[in-house]
Amino acid sequence: KAGVTQTPRYLIKTRGQQVTLSCSPISGHRSVSWYQQTPGQGLQFLFEYFSETQRNKGNFPGRFSGRQFSNSRSEMNVSTLELGDSALYLCASSLVVDSPLHFGNGTRLTVT
Amino acid sequence: ILNVEQSPQSLHVQEGDSTNFTCSFPSSNFYALHWYRWETAKSPEALFVMTLNGDEKKKGRISATLNTKEGYSYLYIKGSQPEDSATYLCAPEVSAGKSTFGDGTTLTVKP
Repeated sequence: KAGVTQTPRYLIKTRGQQVTLSCSPISGHRSVSWYQQTPGQGLQFLFEYFSETQRNKGNFPGRFSGRQFSNSRSEMNVSTLELGDSALYLCASSLVVDSPLHFGNGTRLTVT
Repeated sequence: ILNVEQSPQSLHVQEGDSTNFTCSFPSSNFYALHWYRWETAKSPEALFVMTLNGDEKKKGRISATLNTKEGYSYLYIKGSQPEDSATYLCAPEVSAGKSTFGDGTTLTVKP
């Protein structure tokens, strides 16, 4: 069974630009969540989608948005990039409530 | 917002030592308590899902317990090996699909 796939693996953008990250979950998983990890910080929850609906949202500004498609694939968009957005962005999928998260390899975003 | 605390922040042990770390949380109002292992250059990998007070789970040399009444979970590694070197994360699933992660305990096992 294929794991969670995130693209691209690395991305370099300049301040003010926008970026879209993609995540394909494990087949059959309908929940997709996104996390940010910055240097010295733990995994911060961004949002979670289930059946194309945003079910949970973390404490991030509106510049961070996402969506989920009918095939459960998800995208995350960050507009008007800031230097502080440089981070590792992890996507994870899960089957049901109280089942573990399966993480992708992440997208490393660098904003210059 | 659930504040999840993990201690110690880092740990250096010799091969063969047994060790344990703590995950504490102020509220037991969650669906499950997850433990993950995150090795360098890899993605986090699930270790255990714990749901009931008194839960005990074991996988090889690694085991975990959950005490929801006191608000903590322990992870134990018996006879640490260099391949156990990783960051261990705990994450209560505070609502369906939302897990709040602690900052983790980074374990280094010296041969």
